[in-house]
Amino acid sequence: DAGVIQSPRHEVTEMGQEVTLRCKPISGHNSLFWYRQTMMRGLELLIYFNNNVPIDDSGMPEDRFSAKMPNASFSTLKIQPSEPRDSAVYFCASSSSYNSPLHFGNGTRLTVT
Amino acid sequence: DQQVKQNSPSLSVQEGRISILNCDYTNSMFDYFLWYKKYPAEGPTFLISISSIKDKNEDGRFTVFLNKSAKHLSLHIVPSQPGDSAVYFCAASVGKLVFGAGTILRVKS
Repeated sequence: DAGVIQSPRHEVTEMGQEVTLRCKPISGHNSLFWYRQTMMRGLELLIYFNNNVPIDDSGMPEDRFSAKMPNASFSTLKIQPSEPRDSAVYFCASSSSYNSPLHFGNGTRLTVT
Repeated sequence: DQQVKQNSPSLSVQEGRISILNCDYTNSMFDYFLWYKKYPAEGPTFLISISSIKDKNEDGRFTVFLNKSAKHLSLHIVPSQPGDSAVYFCAASVGKLVFGAGTILRVKS
């Protein structure tokens, strides 16, 4: 089992550019989560999907953020336009059921200059 | 509104001694609690969990205690080892998982 795979590992972009983060969950897991880690706020839940359907996106900071899960093996988190305050580590996680422990990817470190 | 709080940003412990990491929560509806460990440049990994119907769960060197009346959770590591040095996140669930800000544990050899 390869675990949750995220790409890219690092992303450096200029303010105003579009950024797309990608995630491949563990095969067979039907819940997928996007988290953001910052020094000030720790791990914040942005959005989660169950069976490819967005269930709760109340953590998405603003309309510049969007997430999709077109199928059970792929999800994207897009920021358009990006801003310096979006700089953080973004984690994707999946689980086999809603209340099961999450399996995290190694994260994407985003730097917006 | 931080529903899960880890008030100690860091903790330093001598190898072989006990490490105690603490976590407080505000939402009495939380029914499942977990601890995750995170090494640099890696994602958090699940360590141990406890249901709200229990007050203790043990797994090897790791024990989690739950005090529902005080809304307090703690993780005990005995004996502590240098490889335990990491960031530890407390998390609580009521439909979705809410994480604390983390505590950096340093185990000195």
